[in-house]
Amino acid sequence: NAGVMQNPRHLVRRRGQEARLRCSPMKGHSHVYWYRQLPEEGLKFMVYLQKENIIDESGMPKERFSAEFPKEGPSILRIQQVVRGDSAAYFCASSSYPGTGAYEQYFGPGTRLTVT
Amino acid sequence: ELKVEQNPLFLSMQEGKNYTIYCNYSTTSDRLYWYRQDPGKSLESLFVLLSNGAVKQEGRLMASLDTKARLSTLHITAAVHDLSATYFCAVEEGGGADGLTFGKGTHLIIQP
Repeated sequence: NAGVMQNPRHLVRRRGQEARLRCSPMKGHSHVYWYRQLPEEGLKFMVYLQKENIIDESGMPKERFSAEFPKEGPSILRIQQVVRGDSAAYFCASSSYPGTGAYEQYFGPGTRLTVT
Repeated sequence: ELKVEQNPLFLSMQEGKNYTIYCNYSTTSDRLYWYRQDPGKSLESLFVLLSNGAVKQEGRLMASLDTKARLSTLHITAAVHDLSATYFCAVEEGGGADGLTFGKGTHLIIQP
């Protein structure tokens, strides 16, 4: 059973370009969470999605950032017109249905975005 | 707003010693996680603590949860170099349908 997959693992973008980060959840998981980790800091929650629905985007910056989880295919975190402050590690996690028993979020390997 | 505070944030200790990392959180929660992160790597789940008084042990690590005090501890017994890493606690607010709120992490260095 493959774990959470993210690609690319490393991404370099120049200021003003777009970054697209992909996350494929674990098999059987339909809930996806995105987190951002700035250097020397903990992870900050960004957005929680189910298939075709954004459940909670309270941690997403209001501009330039968007996320989707289509019926088919991976979840995508999109950052438009990147700036140097967007440089960070972006982690995706997936879970089965939350709130029942000992479910937990399983984390992918992360995408390290560098904006030059 | 849920706040999660860990201390210490940095810890250097010698092999063979015992130590405890503390995690305080500000609102009611019945679910707390401990993760380990090695440099440049993802998060490895160590423990999921689901109820008051929960205690879990794996090797030299033991975690406990006191929901009344809003406190979790991660105790390291007879530390070895391989345990050097950053340890995060994370709390889930509400009924299990939220993102996790992480502490800043404890950077642990264990010296031979």
